Amino acid sequence: QKEVEQDPGPLSVPEGAIVSLNCTYSNSAFQYFMWYRQYSRKGPELLMYTYSSGNKEDGRFTAQVDKSSKYISLFIRDSQPSDSATYLCAILGGGATNKLIFGTGTLLAVQP
Amino acid sequence: DTGVSQNPRHKITKRGQNVTFRCDPISEHNRLYWYRQTLGQGPEFLTYFQNEAQLEKSRLLSDRFSAERPKGSFSTLEIQRTEQGDSAMYLCASSQTGGINEKLFFGSGTQLSVL
Repeated sequence: QKEVEQDPGPLSVPEGAIVSLNCTYSNSAFQYFMWYRQYSRKGPELLMYTYSSGNKEDGRFTAQVDKSSKYISLFIRDSQPSDSATYLCAILGGGATNKLIFGTGTLLAVQP
Repeated sequence: DTGVSQNPRHKITKRGQNVTFRCDPISEHNRLYWYRQTLGQGPEFLTYFQNEAQLEKSRLLSDRFSAERPKGSFSTLEIQRTEQGDSAMYLCASSQTGGINEKLFFGSGTQLSVL
C-alpha cells in the first residue's frame, strides 16, 4: 500500500465550479499536510499547509484534514482557467530531514 | 531573490553516458533537496543536504548516483552509466529553516531523457 494515494484524474470543470481534490494516507502518525500546485514544465509551488485535523482557508482555497479517516482535501471555489494545473498532496514524512511524501497528483482543467 | 535555478532544463543522452545536473538554491538557504518525478507521478525524495553535509539518501539513489554540495552553495547531481529507467524530471528544492514550518521552494527541474 502506498503511503499517500491520490486520484490522478484528469478532472475537467467549467469556470466558476467548486473543485474537490482528495488524498488518503496510511500512517496515522502523519501530522503535517500540504497541497502543491504544479504548472506544466514547472516545479511544484506550495499552496496550503495544515497541521492535524481541521480546516484552513486562504482566499478561494480551503484545505481540510480528517485524521480519523486519514483523508485530506483541497477545495477550490469559483475556479478559474488559471487554476488549470496538477495538484499534489504531500505529507511531511517526519525525522530531521523533513522529506515530503507526495501523492501522484491530480490534473485539473478549468474550461472557460 | 531569483528563485531556485536548475541547469540544464533538458538533457538528452544515450544509455551508458554520464550526466551532471546543477542546482543553484536561493541565496542563504542552507537546506537543499533533490527529488525525482516521473510522468504521472509525484516527486520522490532522493537526497538532502544541510549546508555542505549530505545527511540523508533515499534507497532510490543507487551507487550510480552521486550528489555534492561543495561549500554549502550550489549542488550537483551526477548519474553514471545512465539507464533508460533514469529518464525523469530531476527537481531541486531549497529552504531556509527546518521544523514544521519549513517551506520548500522548487526549481523548474531538469528533464532527462535517456535513449
